[in-house]
Amino acid sequence: AQRVTQPEKLLSVFKGAPVELKCNYSYSGSPELFWYVQYSRQRLQLLLRHISRESIKGFTADLNKGETSFHLKKPFAQEEDSAMYYCALRSGSARQLTFGSGTQLTVLP
Amino acid sequence: ETGVTQSPTHLIKTRGQQVTLRCSSQSGHNTVSWYQQALGQGPQFIFQYYREEENGRGNFPPRFSGLQFPNYSSELNVNALELDDSALYLCASSLAARAQETQYFGPGTRLLVL
Repeated sequence: AQRVTQPEKLLSVFKGAPVELKCNYSYSGSPELFWYVQYSRQRLQLLLRHISRESIKGFTADLNKGETSFHLKKPFAQEEDSAMYYCALRSGSARQLTFGSGTQLTVLP
Repeated sequence: ETGVTQSPTHLIKTRGQQVTLRCSSQSGHNTVSWYQQALGQGPQFIFQYYREEENGRGNFPPRFSGLQFPNYSSELNVNALELDDSALYLCASSLAARAQETQYFGPGTRLLVL
């Protein structure tokens, strides 16, 4: 069965510092991985997906199949990046999402 | 373009009761997925409906059931409520025909079972 692990429940960094949110997965097939973000009082929304290999709001994530990881990185954190971040894996006939438990990122001024 | 909406926003029930939650898909979407998010956890897949039929189910008992209507809106029904059913229930809509479809989430319904 698939599993997504986000080891840090809380992460605080100072504005301008680099940030890395960790995500590890367990899946026997070829993974489709995503990062979702939830800003305060807003709904869950897609931040980026590994297949697009894009940078959104300065964030990037590289799929490392050897380490089964999909860590989210940003070189210079901004206060507006403060939010809850969820890593998710898509699988199954319904292409459903399996989420990690989330990391609350706080960027301090 | 209208986003995903859910009703009600909050609900309080007692153990043993039944509840119905509603979701309206984003315009043009034909697939609805339901997730349960317990406090401090990530969302957990309940089931998905595509063209009015269940298209996949997570590890939830049969007392969790659903419907999808011709206009692609959906209902989640939970019978014989238990205390552990207290959670945020999210629905997400998508367009299944697209290979890289994105799931768009609603704001959720917060259910409290006493």
